[in-house]
Amino acid sequence: GAGVSQSPSNKVTEKGKDVELRCDPISGHTALYWYRQSLGQGLEFLIYFQGNSAPDKSGLPSDRFSAERTGGSVSTLTIQRTQQEDSAVYLCASSLESGSDSPLHFGNGTRLTVT
Amino acid sequence: AQRVTQPEKLLSVFKGAPVELKCNYSYSGSPELFWYVQYSRQRLQLLLRHISRESIKGFTADLNKGETSFHLKKPFAQEEDSAMYYCALLSNDYKLSFGAGTTVTVRA
Repeated sequence: GAGVSQSPSNKVTEKGKDVELRCDPISGHTALYWYRQSLGQGLEFLIYFQGNSAPDKSGLPSDRFSAERTGGSVSTLTIQRTQQEDSAVYLCASSLESGSDSPLHFGNGTRLTVT
Repeated sequence: AQRVTQPEKLLSVFKGAPVELKCNYSYSGSPELFWYVQYSRQRLQLLLRHISRESIKGFTADLNKGETSFHLKKPFAQEEDSAMYYCALLSNDYKLSFGAGTTVTVRA
């Protein structure tokens, strides 16, 4: 594809509901990252995939957060029992491979609002 | 654990004036540093990386290991430089950590 695609672009949900956020990386990109962008908090690292495996899950805020990647392509970030503090923009990025020679290409993000 | 610190949340300069965005890091290994930029209504994108030692859109950044800094500089700011700038550090395990970001406003 032309770039990293994220869906939905906006999601409003009630507290306590589960949400699923989707990321379609650039075709052929093996590395995929999820970040959370909150006002005043910058970009918070959530999880990183190399292929389908996640070597680093250290950024997931709680056990309500999980992510998976299938076929080395699409990734989904799931938040269970959403809380108001989960409201943020969730950004996905992919790169051709891990390492400094492969810059990250970011999607437009999913803006999540928990009411 | 690595950490990236951008002490300035907001930076306002006049067009034609120099601009410097500060970035400090802490990391026990050999770091690779980057600057990413997000213009209004656009995606976050790579601006420059220290290993390339390049100048992009008039911006340069020098890695100072002694001071653990990677400040971004431009001698003459332009209005189109108004954006959000993020400093980032890539650790040996390929985790890319970002600072909190600095919003730059260039006034005419």
